[in-house]
Parts: sequence; C-alpha cells; structure tokens
Amino acid sequence: AAGVIQSPRHLIKEKRETATLKCYPIPRHDTVYWYQQGPGQDPQFLISFYEKMQSDKGSIPDRFSAQQFSDYHSELNMSSLELGDSALYFCASSPSGRYTDTQYFGPGTRLTVL
Amino acid sequence: KQEVTQIPAALSVPEGENLVLNCSFTDSAIYNLQWFRQDPGKGLTSLLLIQSSQREQTSGRLNASLDKSSGRSTLYIAASQPGDSATYLCAPSNGNKLVFGAGTILRVKS
Repeated sequence: AAGVIQSPRHLIKEKRETATLKCYPIPRHDTVYWYQQGPGQDPQFLISFYEKMQSDKGSIPDRFSAQQFSDYHSELNMSSLELGDSALYFCASSPSGRYTDTQYFGPGTRLTVL
Repeated sequence: KQEVTQIPAALSVPEGENLVLNCSFTDSAIYNLQWFRQDPGKGLTSLLLIQSSQREQTSGRLNASLDKSSGRSTLYIAASQPGDSATYLCAPSNGNKLVFGAGTILRVKS
C-alpha cells in the first residue's frame, strides 16, 4: 500500500540558510500534518492543512511557513535556520479533515543545521 | 493544554513475557488515541487507534484499552519478542493535532 512520502530524507544546512521539506500524502488523502521531533524529545505538532487551507497551528516559529498545493502535497519552508532547528520532521496524512481519522506518518526528514 | 505521561519510561523483559504500557492524559475531551512504535532514528508506525467511544482495540498480539473519563490508556503486548524492542508512544487527539507522550523504551531480551 502506498505510504506518505517525504523528501529529502536527509538535509544538511548551515545557520541562516533556508530549507524546504516536501510531503506527498497517501493518495486520496486531503489532510496533511507537520510535526517536529528534536533529539531525545517527543514529536511536537507544527501545522496542519485540510483541502489546501490551514486547519490548525501549533508551536511553529514565525521563520517557518507551509502550504498545501492543489495536488495535496505540502511544503514546509524554513528560513534563517538555527542550530535548534536540527530535528526529525514528520509529515502525516489522513483521508479527511475529521478529527477521528487515523494519521499516517511518513519516514521523516532529518534536518541537521551546522 | 493536553499533557501526556507514559509509565514506565523504560522496560526490559525476557522474551515471552506479557507486558503493559501505561499512558495518562490530562484533558479527557479527546476524539481518539493512537499508539505508535518508533525504532531508533526512524519514523512512527501506527499500531492501534481507539476512538473516544470505544473501550479497546486489538491487533494481533497487541491490545489497547481506553478509559476516557479517567484519562488513561494501556497497551498490552502478549508473548513479547525481541523484534518488539522499540519506543512506544501514545498520542491522544484533541482535534487536528496529536499530543505525544515521551514514550516507553522497551527492550525484549532473547
């Protein structure tokens, strides 16, 4: 069965650079979620989109922005990178905007900021 | 604000044992609760999802229960195997977002 695809899987950036993470949801899923997991920490919700509109926002820094496109894939844009942004970034998708849906997670993008 | 606690933080058992992982949450107004498995440095694999109206869910050797009113969930693993070694995370949903606990690190010794 098709799963959530994230690219790239690994990314190394310098401080103050920008990074773009991409997420391709499971086919026919219209809802996407982004989570950040710092080293030794539990995943923290960043932002979610349903039908290309932002549906909820968590502890996402102002330096980060995200959007969902017409084909339902999503991109997380991160600017002015800081050392503390080094983390595993997960994308998840669900089949609809219902709160009762299962969220299916991708393999994550490991971002290292040097 | 939802807060999730998982006990124990770590567990080491011999192969074949049955074990219970505990999860408690402070805000009982949840829509569902998911249990995940995470291998070191890897992604999150969804194990079970329990809707707020359900009491338990079973998948193979795994059984998860939910007592929404008391803010508790347990994950029961029967006949544990070395391949079950991983971190287990519970995550209740208050809406769009999942709030994760810190996890229980499980090691099953052969």
